[in-house]
Amino acid sequence: EVQLVESGGGLVQPGGSLRLSCEASGFSFSSTWMHWVRQVPGKGLVWVALIKSDGTTIYADSVRGRFTISRDNAKNTLHLQMNSLRAEDTAVYHCARDWFHAIDYWGQGTLVTVSS
Amino acid sequence: DVVMTQTPLSSPVTLGQPASISCRSSQSLVHSDGNTYLSWLQQRPGQPPRLLIYKISNRFSGVPDRFSGSGAGTDFTLKISRVEAEDVGVYYCMQATQFPRTFGQGTKVEIK
Repeated sequence: EVQLVESGGGLVQPGGSLRLSCEASGFSFSSTWMHWVRQVPGKGLVWVALIKSDGTTIYADSVRGRFTISRDNAKNTLHLQMNSLRAEDTAVYHCARDWFHAIDYWGQGTLVTVSS
Repeated sequence: DVVMTQTPLSSPVTLGQPASISCRSSQSLVHSDGNTYLSWLQQRPGQPPRLLIYKISNRFSGVPDRFSGSGAGTDFTLKISRVEAEDVGVYYCMQATQFPRTFGQGTKVEIK
């Protein structure tokens, strides 16, 4: 069974940093592209970043230069390092699995709140 | 960026009746490999999204056959042949032909 479990969310001040993690199980993590997608509660889905199996990374314009997606294949874990956080980064962050250019499995998400 | 526009944004439906959601992209979603990477997701209240349909019309594993997808190029449709109570939620189209991946605004399906 595919499982994705995020952690690391919380309250952080504007300009601060946070590191999200996503533990994956039930599939071959190292050979799978992985995404981060965020959602303001009650609002729509917004794609954040992708990391391919070869380590290539792609970012949304809104986070490029501030966020870094990475993976630890030995620990089946996906990360999102978020720096220079802004109020508009407040959202639930989901990690999600890419499957032939669709996103087939999503974690429950972890809430990030950027506020003073 | 490819803009995905869904209509309607809200769809009150009677149980057992059909529902239809339209999704239009600002650019053709035909990839250079010949595939069209348009998918549909369902998000039930309090749950993460769930994949229903991929590459326009292919039902994902475990998805009931009352869900169907169609379309081509820039115009796509998700149909529910007979709405059941468990279908209540928000439905999103998503394009994966280009980066950044983009989603429609979401269509809320509720029971009348």
